[in-house]
Amino acid sequence: KQEVTQIPAALSVPEGENLVLNCSFTDSAIYNLQWFRQDPGKGLTSLLLIQSSQREQTSGRLNASLDKSSGRSTLYIAASQPGDSATYLCAVSGWVAGTALIFGKGTTLSVSS
Amino acid sequence: AAGVIQSPRHLIKEKRETATLKCYPIPRHDTVYWYQQGPGQDPQFLISFYEKMQSDKGSIPDRFSAQQFSDYHSELNMSSLELGDSALYFCASSTRNTEAFFGQGTRLTVV
Repeated sequence: KQEVTQIPAALSVPEGENLVLNCSFTDSAIYNLQWFRQDPGKGLTSLLLIQSSQREQTSGRLNASLDKSSGRSTLYIAASQPGDSATYLCAVSGWVAGTALIFGKGTTLSVSS
Repeated sequence: AAGVIQSPRHLIKEKRETATLKCYPIPRHDTVYWYQQGPGQDPQFLISFYEKMQSDKGSIPDRFSAQQFSDYHSELNMSSLELGDSALYFCASSTRNTEAFFGQGTRLTVV
């Protein structure tokens, strides 16, 4: 059974710092991995999708990498801003169409000004 | 761009009542997911549909059922509601090679 772990559970940084969020998964046979952002009481916003054949994806100040063989992904946030404060979740999908996205418990990020 | 639409956004029900949540996926998305998220919890997978057929099932109570209709919208039916069913319920849709997009959720409060 696929399990997804995110470390750290919480992170506080001053504005301007670069930071890395970690996601690991137990079964490397994933179809893709997706990073989401969630603000309190709100829906999940997709940040980046990495297909299993890809190594990384970039969007603005965000860069996500995937090492499928070691079961790891990282989300790198450059020059953090207070508006980046949110919970970041990673989720993996399997090869069978329509199977569940399996989520980690998330990393709650707080960026202070 | 069209997003995933969920209705209602908020719902208050009494114990033992029934609730129906609706989800309208992004056009041409072939997969719909339902998730439950309690306060401070990660999303818990309930059920999914691929091309209108149930494709995966998670920790969905027997009191809950779901279906996807010919127009691809989906409904989550919840009966004999309990206080512990109070949560945010999310619907998401995707295709095989695209991101999963989530709706804004339905906040269900059982009193």
